[in-house]
Amino acid sequence: DVKVTQSSRYLVKRTGEKVFLECVQDMDHENMFWYRQDPGLGLRLIYFSYDVKMKEKGDIPEGYSVSREKKERFSLILESASTNQTSMYLCASRGNTEAFFGQGTRLTVV
Amino acid sequence: QKEVEQNSGPLSVPEGAIASLNCTYSDRGSQSFFWYRQYSGKSPELIMSIYSNGDKEDGRFTAQLNKASQYVSLLIRDSQPSDSATYLCAVTDKGGSEKLVFGKGTKLTVNP
Repeated sequence: DVKVTQSSRYLVKRTGEKVFLECVQDMDHENMFWYRQDPGLGLRLIYFSYDVKMKEKGDIPEGYSVSREKKERFSLILESASTNQTSMYLCASRGNTEAFFGQGTRLTVV
Repeated sequence: QKEVEQNSGPLSVPEGAIASLNCTYSDRGSQSFFWYRQYSGKSPELIMSIYSNGDKEDGRFTAQLNKASQYVSLLIRDSQPSDSATYLCAVTDKGGSEKLVFGKGTKLTVNP
């Protein structure tokens, strides 16, 4: 079975903190994605990566950065967390067919 | 900006009926199309994938793709209460990097 694992299920951080969300996949997929999901707004793409050290901005990259030093790991970084980044964050991994999702991280910024 | 639009819903159907979910996309270069189901509080899971024009059937689910009209749909036959969920349409292209974009989803309720 494909496994996409996100480091935390729930996370509470303070405004201004630097936050790291980690995602690991075990299927040797080239493509990895970070989305955030908010009520009424659906899944919005933050960043994606199609190879090690390669990344592209999605639709809402502002306030975020990413790192992909190894093929299996894709990290999302909130440089200075703000309350409007409170959301559900979903990581996905994709080879040549469908994307598989991690369990999600519910981030609350207070 | 590439867009994926879904009928806004919510959609409510009686048990045993056919539920029809629709999706349009803006990028003519799109090549791969997916329907995901998401239960409340859970991650999306794949229902169907379709890559060429026409129909694709899997059990009670049928995906339909019309690239000329930039339209993809999902039909659920003999709808069950367990089908109640949000259904997400996703589209990708292959222009060097495979960006995967989702619609906002349609919430389906199947009433017993």
